[in-house]
Amino acid sequence: ILNVEQSPQSLHVQEGDSTNFTCSFPSSNFYALHWYRWETAKSPEALFVMTLNGDEKKKGRISATLNTKEGYSYLYIKGSQPEDSATYLCAFNDMRFGAGTRLTVKP
Amino acid sequence: GAVVSQHPSRVICKSGTSVKIECRSLDFQATTMFWYRQFPKQSLMLMATSNEGSKATYEQGVEKDKFLINHASLTLSTLTVTSAHPEDSSFYICSASLADNTGELFFGEGSRLTVL
Repeated sequence: ILNVEQSPQSLHVQEGDSTNFTCSFPSSNFYALHWYRWETAKSPEALFVMTLNGDEKKKGRISATLNTKEGYSYLYIKGSQPEDSATYLCAFNDMRFGAGTRLTVKP
Repeated sequence: GAVVSQHPSRVICKSGTSVKIECRSLDFQATTMFWYRQFPKQSLMLMATSNEGSKATYEQGVEKDKFLINHASLTLSTLTVTSAHPEDSSFYICSASLADNTGELFFGEGSRLTVL
């Protein structure tokens, strides 16, 4: 993989559902993978910075895992709430962004 | 967390005019700021890295003379789109990082430019 790819592009879930999405990135020359949350009309906000293979980070109902050898990271949201609706961006080595996964949580 | 403010949030201009977008770090000093451009449904694309007191570093394919970047102080970087044309219409957003080497970026709110 040469670019940073995120899937799915968009996701619609019901309140209370758990969900996850993927960020794929080049497996060479890795030093950091960032996840950002971007609500409409607001600035992107950092969720996690992950640097080590096997890293798992958690913040409330949101968690992320990292596999640098195969070049992917998963973001999980447990018990989705409407306020989780946002675009979730990942960035490889700070500068190369994926196109994002747009999550909509329906009440 | 650190706050970055970007202005204006929306601007509409006529073809051939120049537009300046400001990016300010409100509660910290940013020696380095970054400018991105985003087309609909596409990734944030890094345009240039803005360094306080020195020339910006542009990514391949970004015209230096079209997108002028000035980082004259530790809290302000500006992007000027010169002689704008409709194809320059896009979403532009800046970010800055703290000096703590975590790599965490703090973003402005973004500016949507429409060139008529």
